[in-house]
Amino acid sequence: DIQMTQSPSSLSASVGDRVTITCRASQGINTFLNWYQKKPGKAPKVLVYAASSLQSGVPSRFNGSGSGTEFTLTISSLQPEDFATYYCQQSYGHPPWTFGQGTKVEIK
Amino acid sequence: QVQLQESGPGLVKPSQTLSLTCTVSGDFSSNGFFYWSWVRQPAGKGLEWIGRVSSSGGTDYNPSLNSRVSMSVDTSKNQLSLKLTSVTAADTAVYYCARDSGFWSPHSLSNYYYYYMDVWGTGTTVTVSS
Repeated sequence: DIQMTQSPSSLSASVGDRVTITCRASQGINTFLNWYQKKPGKAPKVLVYAASSLQSGVPSRFNGSGSGTEFTLTISSLQPEDFATYYCQQSYGHPPWTFGQGTKVEIK
Repeated sequence: QVQLQESGPGLVKPSQTLSLTCTVSGDFSSNGFFYWSWVRQPAGKGLEWIGRVSSSGGTDYNPSLNSRVSMSVDTSKNQLSLKLTSVTAADTAVYYCARDSGFWSPHSLSNYYYYYMDVWGTGTTVTVSS
């Protein structure tokens, strides 16, 4: 199975900060990488698919980039509603799909 | 607008079978390339992909659960089902169903389809306890 590793596991930031989360795959996955936002008690929500395509309705402050084994999710100006846990997930080739362990974004 | 809703027992005894249903409201077998995935999240832990089923009944499972999991689809009822046998406390989690949408892009320079889970149910909590 393809292993996904996110860093950092958690971070503290202030409203307005630029935040970057990294996701690394154990093997090359081209651009078959998705990002999700998860809030307590809520279902995950897809933010970015195919590494850099913004899901409809997602604010443009979210940006995904990368290919191969290294990917980033950047929030250009953190908003109060962005405090959540973020997960990357690979969908390269054939299942199983795998998620990263998550990055919790907390208020500083 | 597709909506998903999970249902099933909230409490299952150890060694028994966990059975959940996901009811799909809206276009179940629409134009498009869709699978239907199940994902779970134990309290305080991350997301785990359990497997997926196509509208025609084809399945892919997580190897870590492969021997205990089965999924099926009933298109006449717009329902998906998940069964997990021989459950233990480690199977206690919130279980989600999600639409796994696929598309092909020449930009990938491959024959693979892109998949991403774009519509999710609200989740149902299952506790394994005697």
